[in-house]
Amino acid sequence: DQQVKQNSPSLSVQEGRISILNCDYTNSMFDYFLWYKKYPAEGPTFLISISSIKDKNEDGRFTVFLNKSAKHLSLHIVPSQPGDSAVYFCAARGSNYKLTFGKGTLLTVNP
Amino acid sequence: ETGVTQSPTHLIKTRGQQVTLRCSSQSGHNTVSWYQQALGQGPQFIFQYYREEENGRGNFPPRFSGLQFPNYSSELNVNALELDDSALYLCASSWGQLHQSTDTQYFGPGTRLTVL
Repeated sequence: DQQVKQNSPSLSVQEGRISILNCDYTNSMFDYFLWYKKYPAEGPTFLISISSIKDKNEDGRFTVFLNKSAKHLSLHIVPSQPGDSAVYFCAARGSNYKLTFGKGTLLTVNP
Repeated sequence: ETGVTQSPTHLIKTRGQQVTLRCSSQSGHNTVSWYQQALGQGPQFIFQYYREEENGRGNFPPRFSGLQFPNYSSELNVNALELDDSALYLCASSWGQLHQSTDTQYFGPGTRLTVL
């Protein structure tokens, strides 16, 4: 039973345009959501997070939106840069504080 | 400030064998978490160690065990290896326990384990 779902295995966008990565979850007890970025041969690196009591968090080019009623969150990257090309993981924290990750979305930003 | 390091980078074992993977935490971090990432999947939480004691565990059988040492380095041990144990094993260090430090987990590059 996959509690955190990233339904798009891959996404391709042009440099300078917006990248939108989506994530759905099923467990209403999740109270904190995070996005990680992973380059090949490296471990995931933390990107941005949002508490369940908020609906938006912004950090530079990165914005995360949370729609609790739809159990949906999204990561917006504007403007997208070739260096943003990586696998992006959505993760959620449950009542026992462990993180549950989605399968990831491979973002490719074309110059 | 050194980052999180893991050894070995790659490892090949046969079914039934035992394996030990090692992780050196980032300087100043007292918590380490281990994750299993199977091909095409996201990382799955195995367990966390805080100040040398297990402090939270995911849905993994007891043949997955760990240790954290006084210098906060860590080992993941897997006994009676099965084919499905083939995966990338990631460790992540942080300061403080899981609920205090969700944002600031620093991941190592992982150990790729292949079980034949």
